[in-house]
Amino acid sequence: EAGVTQFPSHSVIEKGQTVTLRCDPISGHDNLYWYRRVMGKEIKFLLHFVKESKQDESGMPNNRFLAERTGGTYSTLKVQPAELEDSGVYFCASSGHLEAFFGQGTRLTVV
Amino acid sequence: RKEVEQDPGPFNVPEGATVAFNCTYSNSASQSFFWYRQDCRKEPKLLMSVYSSGNEDGRFTAQLNRASQYISLLIRDSKLSDSATYLCVVNYYGNNRLAFGKGNQVVVIP
Repeated sequence: EAGVTQFPSHSVIEKGQTVTLRCDPISGHDNLYWYRRVMGKEIKFLLHFVKESKQDESGMPNNRFLAERTGGTYSTLKVQPAELEDSGVYFCASSGHLEAFFGQGTRLTVV
Repeated sequence: RKEVEQDPGPFNVPEGATVAFNCTYSNSASQSFFWYRQDCRKEPKLLMSVYSSGNEDGRFTAQLNRASQYISLLIRDSKLSDSATYLCVVNYYGNNRLAFGKGNQVVVIP
């Protein structure tokens, strides 16, 4: 069975550009999460989807971040326009009932 | 106060020794608890769930103390391959959101 997959694995963009990250959860998992780890800090929650609905988006830093999960399958996280402080590793996770399984992350570098 | 607190360490452990560390959580409504392991530049991977009665998986033992709101992880007979960051993760049933600690960095020394 395929795990959680994320694309791209790395992205280097200039400040002001737009980047879209994609996450494909494990098939059948209704819950999909986005997390971010900034260097030296703990992993922080961004938002949580249940199927296609946003259950909790309290962790989204500001309105430059937009997440979607059309059809309740894969999800995208768009950052527009990107700022230097957006650099970090963006993890996606999915879960059925309890524990979550993580993707390998997207390492975003904004220069 | 942070939702989940861990002493980041590092914990330098001689090979073969035992190491233990705690994680405290602030929300008494927390329902599920996990230890995840994260290797450098990799994604977190589930190590073990933590049950109310405590549970063991090989050299790893996890305990939960609801009264004092902490969970613990003990690693016996440490191997070099145990070097990693161990993340404490708490799930709130109210919104099924996972909260992470900073992680305990363990370095096993030959």
